[in-house]
Amino acid sequence: AQSVTQLDSQVPVFEEAPVELRCNYSSSVSVYLFWYVQYPNQGLQLLLKYLSGSTLVKGINGFEAEFNKSQTSFHLRKPSVHISDTAEYFCAVSVRGSSNTGKLIFGQGTTLQVKP
Amino acid sequence: KAGVTQTPRYLIKTRGQQVTLSCSPISGHRSVSWYQQTPGQGLQFLFEYFSETQRNKGNFPGRFSGRQFSNSRSEMNVSTLELGDSALYLCASSWGQATNEKLFFGSGTQLSVL
Repeated sequence: AQSVTQLDSQVPVFEEAPVELRCNYSSSVSVYLFWYVQYPNQGLQLLLKYLSGSTLVKGINGFEAEFNKSQTSFHLRKPSVHISDTAEYFCAVSVRGSSNTGKLIFGQGTTLQVKP
Repeated sequence: KAGVTQTPRYLIKTRGQQVTLSCSPISGHRSVSWYQQTPGQGLQFLFEYFSETQRNKGNFPGRFSGRQFSNSRSEMNVSTLELGDSALYLCASSWGQATNEKLFFGSGTQLSVL
């Protein structure tokens, strides 16, 4: 079975400061890795995904994440946050195979609070 | 291009009733999946449909069911509602059959069971 652990439930940070949201996963098979963002009263939006290849993945809104296979981590980073980045962030994995289509296993989420 | 549309946006029901939620995927998308989001359990996968066939199912009781129509629109039904079914139900669509595909989420239906 797969599981995802987001190590921080809340991360407060001041505007224009850097931020890192931590994610670790557990799986006995190869997985794809995702970060989604959820703004208040909205659905989830994909920030970035890691499928294969370069371990540094760049996404939308200036976010990037690094896949570390040995540490089974996929931490999300942004060098300078804005007030508009305040939202809940979810790390997720999916397993290869048509029987798993549409199925994402999510972490519990990290609330990013950007303060002026 | 219109996004994923879920109706209704809010719903209030009482215990024992049944409810049907609707999801219209992005035009051309053939896969629709459903998720339940609660503060305690987070986001949990309910089921996924592709070309009117349920291909994958999460660990939920049989009271939760769904279907997909030939136009890819999907409905999910919850019978004999319990207080614990109060949640945000999210629908997501994607084009095809790959597990590495980006999911496009709707804004959800907020169900309150009294």
